[in-house]
Amino acid sequence: DVKVTQSSRYLVKRTGEKVFLECVQDMDHENMFWYRQDPGLGLRLIYFSYDVKMKEKGDIPEGYSVSREKKERFSLILESASTNQTSMYLCASSLQGARGYTFGSGTRLTVV
Amino acid sequence: RKEVEQDPGPFNVPEGATVAFNCTYSNSASQSFFWYRQDCRKEPKLLMSVYSSGNEDGRFTAQLNRASQYISLLIRDSKLSDSATYLCVVNLKAAGNKLTFGGGTRVLVKP
Repeated sequence: DVKVTQSSRYLVKRTGEKVFLECVQDMDHENMFWYRQDPGLGLRLIYFSYDVKMKEKGDIPEGYSVSREKKERFSLILESASTNQTSMYLCASSLQGARGYTFGSGTRLTVV
Repeated sequence: RKEVEQDPGPFNVPEGATVAFNCTYSNSASQSFFWYRQDCRKEPKLLMSVYSSGNEDGRFTAQLNRASQYISLLIRDSKLSDSATYLCVVNLKAAGNKLTFGGGTRVLVKP
């Protein structure tokens, strides 16, 4: 089975801190995605990547950046954390042309 | 208008009963369709793909109606373990491998 691992299950950070969320997949998938999930708003795409060193903005990229230096790793960066970035963050990966994603178990981030 | 819309529920279902719910999508160019299941505080997991002719996987039946732009999920003989949020997911050919998720329909199966 494909495994998508997110480095932390729970994180608490202070406003203004730079925050790194790490995601690693072990099945050589080309595509990787970062979503956030909030009650009443569902899953919203932040950024995605189809290849190493490649990134594209999703629907809500403001306040975030990403890095994909290696195929298996896709990092989400909150440049200066704010309280409205408190959320569940989900990483996903898929093969090129694949019909579904595999998700990591999520990181619940609280910004205080 | 949201690209993918679902009734948030909850659908309260007696154990052993049948429940069905729909999802509508706004873009007629949508190409691929899926149902994901998400348990409380867990990640979404692929339940099944939805094919044009409709398809079954055990107690679960998915159907696609392209003319009316909706997909449906029917659960027969509901089990307590079927309690979850069911996410409708759509892929636009033009969007490549990017999926669009509905807000989810919550199903609660009760004894």
